[in-house]
Amino acid sequence: GQQVMQIPQYQHVQEGEDFTTYCNSSTTLSNIQWYKQRPGGHPVFLIQLVKSGEVKKQKRLTFQFGEAKKNSSLHITATQTTDVGTYFCAGPGNNDMRFGAGTRLTVKP
Amino acid sequence: DTEVTQTPKHLVMGMTNKKSLKCEQHMGHRAMYWYKQKAKKPPELMFVYSYEKLSINESVPSRFSPECPNSSLLNLHLHALQPEDSALYLCASSLQGSGSSYNEQFFGPGTRLTVL
Repeated sequence: GQQVMQIPQYQHVQEGEDFTTYCNSSTTLSNIQWYKQRPGGHPVFLIQLVKSGEVKKQKRLTFQFGEAKKNSSLHITATQTTDVGTYFCAGPGNNDMRFGAGTRLTVKP
Repeated sequence: DTEVTQTPKHLVMGMTNKKSLKCEQHMGHRAMYWYKQKAKKPPELMFVYSYEKLSINESVPSRFSPECPNSSLLNLHLHALQPEDSALYLCASSLQGSGSSYNEQFFGPGTRLTVL
């Protein structure tokens, strides 16, 4: 099945700074999903992108799907301590979704 | 009801024990999943049930045995586990059966398993 590569593995920012995580695939993705897992918690669905070049916003979070549908990004503007956690992208595998390695975000107050 | 519940929250078992993990959802979802998650790693798919039938088994050792008694319940029976099986076991569900990638997954809080 397809695999999505996610970078960076870790990101430590000062509160108020921006943050971006990237997912890349060697093949075209039909869709991509993003999840957030807080420390000690479970993954929570954030959004799904389907269309080429799609951009969706949720408050301070901006999600993009590349024109070629091979990459995606999640950008957080002006991070807050509540943004702490691991952000996973997930792309289609064989009849299921496969998670990227995740980007762990820590925010210094 | 928009949540997935899992019991127990924590489980400690010896290598000779038999135990079961339970998962329940009442959202009418037709796909249910078991994942294993080690610390600082992504969830790793173990099994997928679609319309109460096992549709995906990711080459999981036979000491893990899934069961789907009905569309709302999913069990994972554990027997003769090894210490390296210690992990967070997550259950998830999605609206449609597997085969459709257009479904968000709802995760339960997980069972943290320790094998001594």
